[in-house]
Amino acid sequence: ETGVTQTPRHLVMGMTNKKSLKCEQHLGHNAMYWYKQSAKKPLELMFVYNFKEQTENNSVPSRFSPECPNSSHLFLHLHTLQPEDSALYLCASSQDLGRGNEQYFGPGTRLTVT
Amino acid sequence: KNQVEQSPQSLIILEGKNCTLQCNYTVSPFSNLRWYKQDTGRGPVSLTIMTFSENTKSNGRYTATLDADTKQSSLHITASQLSDSASYICVVMGHGQNFVFGPGTRLSVLP
Repeated sequence: ETGVTQTPRHLVMGMTNKKSLKCEQHLGHNAMYWYKQSAKKPLELMFVYNFKEQTENNSVPSRFSPECPNSSHLFLHLHTLQPEDSALYLCASSQDLGRGNEQYFGPGTRLTVT
Repeated sequence: KNQVEQSPQSLIILEGKNCTLQCNYTVSPFSNLRWYKQDTGRGPVSLTIMTFSENTKSNGRYTATLDADTKQSSLHITASQLSDSASYICVVMGHGQNFVFGPGTRLSVLP
């Protein structure tokens, strides 16, 4: 195990629902990331947090709302999603934003929007 | 435009054989290049990180090469095993937190 856990592992939601994805890292890292992996497309970086502060927002639609209450936890709040938002959502962490730092990924949440 | 291309898109080899995966990139400025292995339904796992000055880096049966002049990298897998079946993703880090991911190569190792 990488020390990064994500819940739930699978989620099916309607377009009018509100749900949240949770990520927790047990590695003592200070930086956390949300990625989206759609079928047959490269991973896309969505958000970056460093010491609980958001440092990157890669032009993500406002229906995705991240929250980082502390360095160990990261949430992605979802509301009024579209079917094209169906994807694998991966969380990762690293020691900090140093360029050579390893990123450790969680197993992902498989999201299906109906 | 910052891009990472990988070839082949998919590859099938027999157990015990060697193979080489290719990565070409146009990301600039360049900070480092990473290779990840992603098993189906799992998150990616780092294999190597290479900086500008590194030409070769090994991790067990995995050997990555980097030619920063031609902006090419390769991942060589020696004596493949069934557990090597996965997607292999090349990632180039540019300025700041600009990670550019390749589409991956899907490797299948057959008995």
